[in-house]
Amino acid sequence: AQKVTQAQTEISVVEKEDVTLDCVYETRDTTYYLFWYKQPPSGELVFLIRRNSFDEQNEISGRYSWNFQKSTSSFNFTITASQVVDSAVYFCALSERGYSTLTFGKGTMLLVSP
Amino acid sequence: DAGVIQSPRHEVTEMGQEVTLRCKPISGHDYLFWYRQTMMRGLELLIYFNNNVPIDDSGMPEDRFSAKMPNASFSTLKIQPSEPRDSAVYFCASSLARYRETQYFGPGTRLLVL
Repeated sequence: AQKVTQAQTEISVVEKEDVTLDCVYETRDTTYYLFWYKQPPSGELVFLIRRNSFDEQNEISGRYSWNFQKSTSSFNFTITASQVVDSAVYFCALSERGYSTLTFGKGTMLLVSP
Repeated sequence: DAGVIQSPRHEVTEMGQEVTLRCKPISGHDYLFWYRQTMMRGLELLIYFNNNVPIDDSGMPEDRFSAKMPNASFSTLKIQPSEPRDSAVYFCASSLARYRETQYFGPGTRLLVL
């Protein structure tokens, strides 16, 4: 069965600190996709990144970076020089061929204080 | 292109009343998903459609819930009769494909049943 674990329920940092959000997944498939979504206090779910299981290259987008390691079944998300606007709940999700749709982790609430 | 559109954004109703939530997916997307988000259960898939046809409704909690997709640009989720435990945020999402492509979420409908 597919499963996504975000062990960090809540993280608090001060602005300009770097922060890493952990995501560990379980799957029996060799072909799968991993996603990160952001849910700010306003409530919408905003897509951040999609990664397929054959592409282990790390990705950087501005202050955001993602580290995908198949050996440890992890897809961690780092925010560099965090800002107050980064305060949100972040969800990691998994999609694979044999299942209807996304399996979401429980989410990590990130609070960035000034 | 406009994103996924949901209406209403907020709904307050009394127990026993019928509630209809509406969704317009992104043009060209073949898949449409309805999710429910609560503090206790997180994000749950209720039902999804492919080319307007319901494919998996195993997440629909009970017969009080029904969903339709009469055409490619419109879907409804109906609760009749509503109960206080139905209070949640209901999200609609759409994607080009079932598991490979990104699901894009609407802003959600925040439902409160008194």
